[in-house]
Amino acid sequence: ETGVTQSPTHLIKTRGQQVTLRCSSQSGHNTVSWYQQALGQGPQFIFQYYREEENGRGNFPPRFSGLQFPNYSSELNVNALELDDSALYLCASSDGQGGETQYFGPGTRLLVL
Amino acid sequence: KNEVEQSPQNLTAQEGEFITINCSYSVGISALHWLQQHPGGGIVSLFMLSSGKKKHGRLIATINIQEKHSSLHITASHPRDSAVYICALKGLIVGNEKLTFGTGTRLTIIP
Repeated sequence: ETGVTQSPTHLIKTRGQQVTLRCSSQSGHNTVSWYQQALGQGPQFIFQYYREEENGRGNFPPRFSGLQFPNYSSELNVNALELDDSALYLCASSDGQGGETQYFGPGTRLLVL
Repeated sequence: KNEVEQSPQNLTAQEGEFITINCSYSVGISALHWLQQHPGGGIVSLFMLSSGKKKHGRLIATINIQEKHSSLHITASHPRDSAVYICALKGLIVGNEKLTFGTGTRLTIIP
């Protein structure tokens, strides 16, 4: 158990819809990173939040957005879903102080039809 | 060229064999992670290395910063070790926790 939870575990949406994925970090972890993992690929960095501000972004379009809240929870929002958005979405939390480990959640598997 | 490459992509071995998975990278890093991902998606952090060698149970990880290369070894492999093993790079920027992932090595241990 990493202490990081994600919801929902699975989700099916249709093209053009919007989705919100949620992550609850370990208490005290003020950095959360979101990753997209397509089938058979390694995770790709979407963005990172530190103390409720975006602090780094990967090569993802603006329709991928996020929020981080003071209670160590965060959201990933994706608008105008496309078929290629089908993937496993992982969040990882850390203390943001160069600590030893990032703690990953179990992921949300999104299928866009 | 990818910043991080792993080999082999797939590895099948008999129970008890000594396993080596390799990771080579081409950028400066502050640390390298070895991660284990089981079917269903959950990722577990095995090691974070910035130099030398670490050991935990039957797992050993080494890194050579000059050669930009790391290896993960599993001694006395067991079917429960079957998983995807991923190396991931942590960059040089302090406070940036972004990881750059390899595509993983799928390990299957046959009883």
